[in-house]
Amino acid sequence: DSGVTQTPKHLITATGQRVTLRCSPRSGDLSVYWYQQSLDQGLQFLIQYYNGEERAKGNILERFSAQQFPDLHSELNLSSLELGDSALYFCASSVAGGHGNTIYFGEGSWLTVV
Amino acid sequence: GESVGLHLPTLSVQEGDNSIINCAYSNSASDYFIWYKQESGKGPQFIIDIRSNMDKRQGQRVTVLLNKTVKHLSLQIAATQPGDSAVYFCAAIIMDTGRRALTFGSGTRLQVQP
Repeated sequence: DSGVTQTPKHLITATGQRVTLRCSPRSGDLSVYWYQQSLDQGLQFLIQYYNGEERAKGNILERFSAQQFPDLHSELNLSSLELGDSALYFCASSVAGGHGNTIYFGEGSWLTVV
Repeated sequence: GESVGLHLPTLSVQEGDNSIINCAYSNSASDYFIWYKQESGKGPQFIIDIRSNMDKRQGQRVTVLLNKTVKHLSLQIAATQPGDSAVYFCAAIIMDTGRRALTFGSGTRLQVQP
């Protein structure tokens, strides 16, 4: 158990809908990362937050957004869902206080868009 | 894009043999590297890390070797066990104004034959 908690574990929704994925980082970790893993794209970095502020952006679509709250949990919002958004979405966290801080991953949220 | 999923390179070894999984990275500015193990349906799990000021680091049954000259990383697993069967990813930190998001290499599927 990495200490990173993600909910829901599985989600099935229809195209055009909107979903929210939730992540609680490890205790003490200030930084949260979101990754998308699908068969044809591998592990793709989406976005990083550090202590409530956006730190870095990767291949995140405009239909997707995220935020990190004062209690450091994070949410990834996916809207106008398309079939191609079906994937495993991972949240990860780290202390992010400097070099060499290990990044720990949650178990992921399986999203199926039908 | 990255090569993962059905097109993953596969390494098949006999139980008890040593395994060597290789990874190449492209950005010479990377100065921190991590190996992750991902079992089916689970999140990537931290195995071992190494900083660019080192060329070798050992853990329990695992050794990571770093060759910065050719931008190559390898993971050696001693006395491979069935529980080592998984997809292995190397990841690098691209140092860019504090961004610490990981860039994942293409994974390798390790199959341990009993």
